[in-house]
Amino acid sequence: QSALTQPPSASGSPGQSVTISCTGTSADVGLYNDVSWYQQHPGKAPKLLIYEVFRRPSGVPDHFSGSKSGNTASLTVSGLQAEDEADYYCSSYAGTNDYVFFGGGTKLTVL
Amino acid sequence: QAQLVESGGGVVQPGRSLTLSCVASGFNFRYYGMHWVRQAPGKGLEWVAVIWYDGTYKHYGDSVKGRFTISRDNSKNTLSLEMNNLRVEDTAVYYCVREKSRGAGFDPWGQGTQVTVSS
Repeated sequence: QSALTQPPSASGSPGQSVTISCTGTSADVGLYNDVSWYQQHPGKAPKLLIYEVFRRPSGVPDHFSGSKSGNTASLTVSGLQAEDEADYYCSSYAGTNDYVFFGGGTKLTVL
Repeated sequence: QAQLVESGGGVVQPGRSLTLSCVASGFNFRYYGMHWVRQAPGKGLEWVAVIWYDGTYKHYGDSVKGRFTISRDNSKNTLSLEMNNLRVEDTAVYYCVREKSRGAGFDPWGQGTQVTVSS
């Protein structure tokens, strides 16, 4: 089993845009559109931000967006706000042999 | 709205067993695949296990295969995780989650239950 690869950290100033990448393989991210993104604030449970690559659950602000190209998925946070400072995790369905992989997480800092 | 409440965590010695429970409310539990996800202290998320909506398929992460058993009782809206031969590295917060689609879109998340394996 291999985790998906995310950068350990990312940062941006308020109002800027930041993109976090999530790299897998042709057997997970590249093959399936079951890619999700989660936000986790310290001491809290994770919260679903994006599912099926780009879909947002109701209640998630539209300054969060998702995309995918080949084996890499991306989360873009536009118009950074102080409350966006958190850890972000990607995940992907990986077929019935491995089922689910998570990325190692990216700590987003709002400068 | 949909809600998941985990329980059953605690402090246990290596080699012992523990069973976690998760009670679902606010949605039709019997129609959804369910998972356990854990997070060790200061670490990232790790997928643990899945069970299909009708209980006919189960799958486990490599680190728990052969030691953990996931099960469900659709009549009681309850998901369980039986953990045997616990190791120090199983120490984590364990979350019960519902999937929106296969292996993805985990929502909602419960508050989690802490499992500490220590001698």
